[in-house]
Amino acid sequence: GAVVSQHPSRVICKSGTSVKIECRSLDFQATTMFWYRQFPKQSLMLMATSNEGSKATYEQGVEKDKFLINHASLTLSTLTVTSAHPEDSSFYICSARGPVRADTQYFGPGTRLTVL
Amino acid sequence: SQQGEEDPQALSIQEGENATMNCSYKTSINNLQWYRQNSGRGLVHLILIRSNEREKHSGRLRVTLDTSKKSSSLLITASRAADTASYFCATQGAQKLVFGQGTRLTINP
Repeated sequence: GAVVSQHPSRVICKSGTSVKIECRSLDFQATTMFWYRQFPKQSLMLMATSNEGSKATYEQGVEKDKFLINHASLTLSTLTVTSAHPEDSSFYICSARGPVRADTQYFGPGTRLTVL
Repeated sequence: SQQGEEDPQALSIQEGENATMNCSYKTSINNLQWYRQNSGRGLVHLILIRSNEREKHSGRLRVTLDTSKKSSSLLITASRAADTASYFCATQGAQKLVFGQGTRLTINP
């Protein structure tokens, strides 16, 4: 099956710094990528949808200037958490969808962000 | 906003018993999917059922979908300790996949 990787798997940073998380589709071209956030013992909440070569569409309540998303190629999307604060500590999961099976998203393993 | 609501929020059963989880949603869907998540890990896709399907099987999993009631159920038969995880339903609309709150399943040996 299709594989999606995320890097890093865990990151700890100081408050006020920026953190970049990469999401890669390893064996297919991802025309659309999604970023989710999951707080402990809660469900996944969609943050934004990004299509290759265009600006991301953010969900209501998600600050686009704080969570910068770049989908510069068909295999890579990045999420940058700018000026991170402790409340941004969460599990960030990306998923990717190819052009063939539009009803299937392939999920990455997630990135655990801890902001001190 | 979350579309899927799952019931129960937590379920604890003995190994070998069957586990049933339910999911309800509010708007029309293209398909409904079930995922498993072990603690602190990524999602594992279990099964997808389309809006024109009523029942689907995959190994020990059985999923039903009732679009008139906007509900789905996931049945895990002959449960094993390794089935301990959180289970999420997710509804696929025109663009987005929206997750339910999840059911935390514990299988006791």
